[in-house]
Amino acid sequence: DTGVSQDPRHKITKRGQNVTFRCDPISEHNRLYWYRQTLGQGPEFLTYFQNEAQLEKSRLLSDRFSAERPKGSFSTLEIQRTEQGDSAMYLCASSLQGQPGYGYTFGSGTRLTVV
Amino acid sequence: GEDVEQSLFLSVREGDSSVINCTYTDSSSTYLYWYKQEPGAGLQLLTYIFSNMDMKQDQRLTVLLNKKDKHLSLRIADTQTGDSAIYFCAENSGGYQKVTFGTGTKLQVIP
Repeated sequence: DTGVSQDPRHKITKRGQNVTFRCDPISEHNRLYWYRQTLGQGPEFLTYFQNEAQLEKSRLLSDRFSAERPKGSFSTLEIQRTEQGDSAMYLCASSLQGQPGYGYTFGSGTRLTVV
Repeated sequence: GEDVEQSLFLSVREGDSSVINCTYTDSSSTYLYWYKQEPGAGLQLLTYIFSNMDMKQDQRLTVLLNKKDKHLSLRIADTQTGDSAIYFCAENSGGYQKVTFGTGTKLQVIP
């Protein structure tokens, strides 16, 4: 297993366009998280899946954002009608239920730039 | 509510010890973590401490937890240039679903 993979690494899009990011977690991890990180800040929680169920969503996640994990494996995060304020690094992480001491394993992130 | 605060910047000379501090507000935190982020990379878990401990040592890393004051620190002994990165304190509470991160401390190691 190569860890948590995110695709693409970088995305530049025009304001108003839709974008979709993909995350492939560690295969035996049943929990998957999306975070957003802006320059000079720590990661902010967006949403969390346990298997295929989306169990928590942050207030930060407006109705333009949607996340799925259809088969409990990979996940996608879609942003519709992108705005310049959406420019950030989007981080995916996974963990195994019942193993909080191991923390999260993060991917390298997808850097989104909205122009 | 949850809030995790850290100082923004720390500069040390190579070979000295570094101490990075963090304060948190959620008294129900069960696990507290230190993550490291190098430029252009995701976050890497360095170490963690369970809330019923007050100290944990892991090679060059020492974590101290003062639960009464809600204060967490990370000491890096014999700091090396490869330790230059941003260090995030994080707390986990309420069933382990969500970890809240601090704003990060940028550690600069001067050769």
